[in-house]
Amino acid sequence: NAGVTQTPKFQVLKTGQSMTLQCAQDMNHEYMSWYRQDPGMGLRLIHYSVGAGITDQGEVPNGYNVSRSTTEDFPLRLLSAAPSQTSVYFCASRRTATTDTQYFGPGTRLTVL
Amino acid sequence: GNSVTQMEGPVTLSEEAFLTINCTYTATGYPSLFWYVQYPGEGLQLLLKATKADDKGSNKGFEATYRKETTSFHLEKGSVQVSDSAVYFCALYETSGSRLTFGEGTQLTVNP
Repeated sequence: NAGVTQTPKFQVLKTGQSMTLQCAQDMNHEYMSWYRQDPGMGLRLIHYSVGAGITDQGEVPNGYNVSRSTTEDFPLRLLSAAPSQTSVYFCASRRTATTDTQYFGPGTRLTVL
Repeated sequence: GNSVTQMEGPVTLSEEAFLTINCTYTATGYPSLFWYVQYPGEGLQLLLKATKADDKGSNKGFEATYRKETTSFHLEKGSVQVSDSAVYFCALYETSGSRLTFGEGTQLTVNP
């Protein structure tokens, strides 16, 4: 049981480039989400999904897209990276939308030049 | 809306010192409250939780009591170790919103 996994661990992009951050969980959790972590701001919710085929926006969705074609995977896409998207990104999952305990991946540190 | 406020850091202590990290919250209903810990280079891990007023969560020597009257959930440990050096996040969850709301995080450094 690997829990929540994320790849890559580190990434450097140039402004305007695109990339996908991968996230997978093997706990058969319905609910998955993406956060970004910035100094002094805690964790902010980007997008979330309550089940396969269903996604919705969080607090800071602009510049990011998501899809949920399977229960296990929840990739985060940056279509045109900007320096303001330099951050640490965490994927998380929990059993259902109304379950309170959440499990986090190890994070992806992204730098946009 | 919901919000969580943590004491400002960073906090630096000597080994075996007493730790308190303050956390207060604003919520419309009856949230569950959490402390998560993030060790260097890792993701967040659940440290402890409490789901109703006067509940005490505890784990690894850390404790926090859900105080509805003061809307607080302060984290305490009687004797910290160097290995406790990490960032600590207070968080709340309300079923109505189905979202976790996090505080800003408090960096703790414990020196030998």
